[in-house]
Amino acid sequence: NFMLTQPLSMSESPGKTVTISCTRSSGSIASNYVQWYQQRPGSGPTTVIYEDNQRPSGVPDRFSGSIDSSSNSASLTISGLKTEDEADYYCQSYDDSGWVFGGGTKLTVL
Amino acid sequence: QVQLVQSGAEVKKPGASVNISCKASAYTFTNYGISWVRQAPGQGLEWMAWISAYNGHRNYAQKFQGRVTMTTDTSTSTAYMELRSLRSDDTAVYYCARDSGGYRPDYWGQGTLVTVSS
Repeated sequence: NFMLTQPLSMSESPGKTVTISCTRSSGSIASNYVQWYQQRPGSGPTTVIYEDNQRPSGVPDRFSGSIDSSSNSASLTISGLKTEDEADYYCQSYDDSGWVFGGGTKLTVL
Repeated sequence: QVQLVQSGAEVKKPGASVNISCKASAYTFTNYGISWVRQAPGQGLEWMAWISAYNGHRNYAQKFQGRVTMTTDTSTSTAYMELRSLRSDDTAVYYCARDSGGYRPDYWGQGTLVTVSS
């Protein structure tokens, strides 16, 4: 199995843009889709990006995803930050052994 | 609307077993797999196991092999997860999730809190 590493925490001001990284430890980041989940306190996870860069219906286009093979990482970018974006964010991918989650990034918007 | 409704919170003593149910609705149960993901207090998400509702094929995370069993009842569109030999560090919220094509969850249950305490 591989690991996905995320920064533990990030903070940014409302209206700004933040990019959360997710680095794959072994194997190519491009070999398996990456998803991103938002989890607010006391709630379950919800998908904000799937298949590297696809947004589910209802997710604002302020959320975007990408992968970078040179750094073997995926990124979640949130532009025009709102206080409601304050949450934990998890990346997720998979291999034949099952799903793999990153450790999560606590995003503070203040 | 697809829904996964889980059974209620449980309090167990160390060494006991817990069985959590996950009842699916508004989709053809046997067309998708079900995975279980847990989240310890203040911690991240951890994938535990997957079962095909079509043929019962299972895949368990190595960490839980020998302690976890997943089953399904296609007559009631319900998946079950049994975790045995509970320890205090098994205290967590356990989520079931519908597996979209084998690589990601697309719908989640509401979560079941399991507290392991003597």
